[in-house]
Amino acid sequence: AQKVTQAQTEISVVEKEDVTLDCVYETRDTTYYLFWYKQPPSGELVFLIRRNSFDEQNEISGRYSWNFQKSTSSFNFTITASQVVDSAVYFCALSEARGGGNKLTFGTGTQLKVEL
Amino acid sequence: EAGVAQSPRYKIIEKRQSVAFWCNPISGHATLYWYQQILGQGPKLLIQFQNNGVVDDSQLPKDRFSAERLKGVDSTLKIQPAKLEDSAVYLCASSSEGFPSYNEQFFGPGTRLTVL
Repeated sequence: AQKVTQAQTEISVVEKEDVTLDCVYETRDTTYYLFWYKQPPSGELVFLIRRNSFDEQNEISGRYSWNFQKSTSSFNFTITASQVVDSAVYFCALSEARGGGNKLTFGTGTQLKVEL
Repeated sequence: EAGVAQSPRYKIIEKRQSVAFWCNPISGHATLYWYQQILGQGPKLLIQFQNNGVVDDSQLPKDRFSAERLKGVDSTLKIQPAKLEDSAVYLCASSSEGFPSYNEQFFGPGTRLTVL
């Protein structure tokens, strides 16, 4: 069975600090997809990134970057120069390329608080 | 492009009562999902529709939960009778297709259910 672990329940940083959110996953599939979603206080989940299991290149998008390492089954997310608007709960999720469906398995989330 | 719409946004009921939630996906999206998010946890898939057929309902408590998507567009999720442990946010999501598994899911704002 697939599983996603986000060991950090809550992280507090001061604005402009860099912060890394950890994600470790388990799957028996060789083809799978990893996602990060942001959930601000309004409650709506916002898609941030998708990565497939065959692409281990790191990705950078503005202040956001992602490090995917199959050897350690990790897909970590770094925010550079954090801002108060980054305060939210961040979820890592896994989807297996099974015969049917697109089921997302989510981690328990990391609450990020960015303070002035 | 309009996003995923859900109503109501909030609902408070007493245990053993019935409740229904409504979801309107993004226009043209064939796949619709209902997730349950209990406080402090990640969303958990309850049911997935492809057009008006069920793809996955393995985690739906079928003794009390039901869902339908009659014309392949809108969907309703019903709980009858509600229990205290059903208190959660119910999220609806849609994607253009359920296959392949990397397709991004777009989430609605959710319905927060409180069962007293």
